[in-house]
Amino acid sequence: KAGVTQTPRYLIKTRGQQVTLSCSPISGHRSVSWYQQTPGQGLQFLFEYFSETQRNKGNFPGRFSGRQFSNSRSEMNVSTLELGDSALYLCASSPSPSSYNEQFFGPGTRLTVL
Amino acid sequence: QQQVKQSPQSLIVQKGGIPIINCAYENTAFDYFPWYQQFPGKGPALLIAIRPDVSEKKEGRFTISFNKSAKQFSLHIMDSQPGDSATYFCAASKHTGTASKLTFGTGTRLQVTL
Repeated sequence: KAGVTQTPRYLIKTRGQQVTLSCSPISGHRSVSWYQQTPGQGLQFLFEYFSETQRNKGNFPGRFSGRQFSNSRSEMNVSTLELGDSALYLCASSPSPSSYNEQFFGPGTRLTVL
Repeated sequence: QQQVKQSPQSLIVQKGGIPIINCAYENTAFDYFPWYQQFPGKGPALLIAIRPDVSEKKEGRFTISFNKSAKQFSLHIMDSQPGDSATYFCAASKHTGTASKLTFGTGTRLQVTL
């Protein structure tokens, strides 16, 4: 069974631009969560989607948004990029939103904002 | 507000030693406590997890000890090997049935030397 796929793996943008990251969950998984990982703040929860609906949201500004499609694939968008948005963005999938289900992480997208 | 505190930040042990990583949480509603292992360039992978109704869980060389009254849990790695060199994250979540969100500790970089 293929794992969680994230594209692109690396991305370089400049301040003020916007970016869209993509995540394909494990086949059969319907819940997708996004996390931001930085050396200073560690792993921080961005949001979770299930059945095309945002179920949970972390403490990030409105510039961070996401969506989920009917095939469970998910995208996250960051508008008006800031230098501080440079991070590894991780996507995790699980069969459902139950917290007892293991979340399987993808390799991440490394975003660099110049 | 950091809800899960992890220590130490880094750890060096010799091959065969038993590194211990500690975590403390604040939210008594947390009911699921996983540990993740992350290698450079990879996403975190679930190592072992525990629920608060047990005080200890072993899987292979990895053991979680859980102290509900102290709101603390720890990871022990028996007979550590150089291949265990990685960053370890503790996490916590609460079961809602409709959403899941992992709150992570800040990570411990473990190096196992020969």
